[in-house]
Amino acid sequence: ETGVTQSPTHLIKTRGQQVTLRCSSQSGHNTVSWYQQALGQGPQFIFQYYREEENGRGNFPPRFSGLQFPNYSSELNVNALELDDSALYLCASSRDGYEQYFGPGTRLTVT
Amino acid sequence: AQSVSQHNHHVILSEAASLELGCNYSYGGTVNLFWYVQYPGQHLQLLLKYFSGDPLVKGIKGFEAEFIKSKFSFNLRKPSVQWSDTAEYFCAVIRSSASKIIFGSGTRLSIRP
Repeated sequence: ETGVTQSPTHLIKTRGQQVTLRCSSQSGHNTVSWYQQALGQGPQFIFQYYREEENGRGNFPPRFSGLQFPNYSSELNVNALELDDSALYLCASSRDGYEQYFGPGTRLTVT
Repeated sequence: AQSVSQHNHHVILSEAASLELGCNYSYGGTVNLFWYVQYPGQHLQLLLKYFSGDPLVKGIKGFEAEFIKSKFSFNLRKPSVQWSDTAEYFCAVIRSSASKIIFGSGTRLSIRP
């Protein structure tokens, strides 16, 4: 059984740019959630996708958007990057939306 | 607003000591509760979960947690820690029928060999 994978591992962007992060869900999972984890903090829920539809959103501005594809993989897009967007971005998949299986994350640095 | 509090930011113990990490949440309705662990250099893994039934749940590697509804708590325990338990531990809560999981800020556990 393949676990959750994310790409890229690390990314450096400049303020104002746009970024796309990718996630492949675990086999058999139809729900994907994205989290932002700042240094020394717990993961903060960004949004969840279930069968290609957004199924819940945290307190993040609209410049954070996402997609889920028919194979249940997902993208997180962030427009107009700000310095405070520097963080570890985690993707998690699940069968039921509750028990989450996490990927290794993408470390985003905005300069 | 719903929140999760982990009051211990950093806990240092010797091997074989007993462990209890606190977790309190603010939501009053039906909740599902989780403890996740992040070992150095690895990604978040589920340690244990509570959905319903027996409030004392057992997880992997000898960990257990007790859900006390009246105290809005879900504390993690282990009777005898090992050096390999060195990790960051996160408590998480989700309301039933919701999609938003709220994580605590984490507790870093360091074990002295």
